[in-house]
Amino acid sequence: GNSVTQMEGPVTLSEEAFLTINCTYTATGYPSLFWYVQYPGEGLQLLLKATKADDKGSNKGFEATYRKETTSFHLEKGSVQVSDSAVYFCALSRASGGSYIPTFGRGTSLIVHP
Amino acid sequence: GAVVSQHPSRVICKSGTSVKIECRSLDFQATTMFWYRQFPKQSLMLMATSNEGSKATYEQGVEKDKFLINHASLTLSTLTVTSAHPEDSSFYICSAPGQTDTQYFGPGTRLTVL
Repeated sequence: GNSVTQMEGPVTLSEEAFLTINCTYTATGYPSLFWYVQYPGEGLQLLLKATKADDKGSNKGFEATYRKETTSFHLEKGSVQVSDSAVYFCALSRASGGSYIPTFGRGTSLIVHP
Repeated sequence: GAVVSQHPSRVICKSGTSVKIECRSLDFQATTMFWYRQFPKQSLMLMATSNEGSKATYEQGVEKDKFLINHASLTLSTLTVTSAHPEDSSFYICSAPGQTDTQYFGPGTRLTVL
């Protein structure tokens, strides 16, 4: 079946540090890949997505590239801010019966200190 | 963007009672909705897929008779936790896919069973 594995947290960084959160996946076919973010006290929201191999998703300074050869979708940001502190979920989506079924990783907590 | 609401946001109930949680897509129709349980260390567990006009599909290990799901219309799915016990206390989240494969999440419901 499909699965998503992402690095354990928490990840603790100082402001302006470089961020990488690793994510690998197992899936049949060609799923879309996502990063969702959950800020403290809020619901999950889409951060970025990529729908096919070699696509790069980007938003708010975050980037992730769909690597089919390594089945990875690592999240990166060149300079993190305190406001980026949140839980980040890597996910994939597969089409099934006219809808899209999501599979999520366990989430990685990011803590950014001033 | 698409908006999903959940009601109530918090509920406290006595052990043995039943609690109903509503999930509504406010500005789009959703033939499918998803219910998750989020555990203390942020892990997100897909519980079931709610299908409008047919039975829900439950993930392995999720008790169908315990967590009743009804997808009454194209904008409303309900999760009823029957005969709730303290171990059912958790954060319950719903999502619905928009016109693409992106999931739109409700803000979640905090259930506390005394």
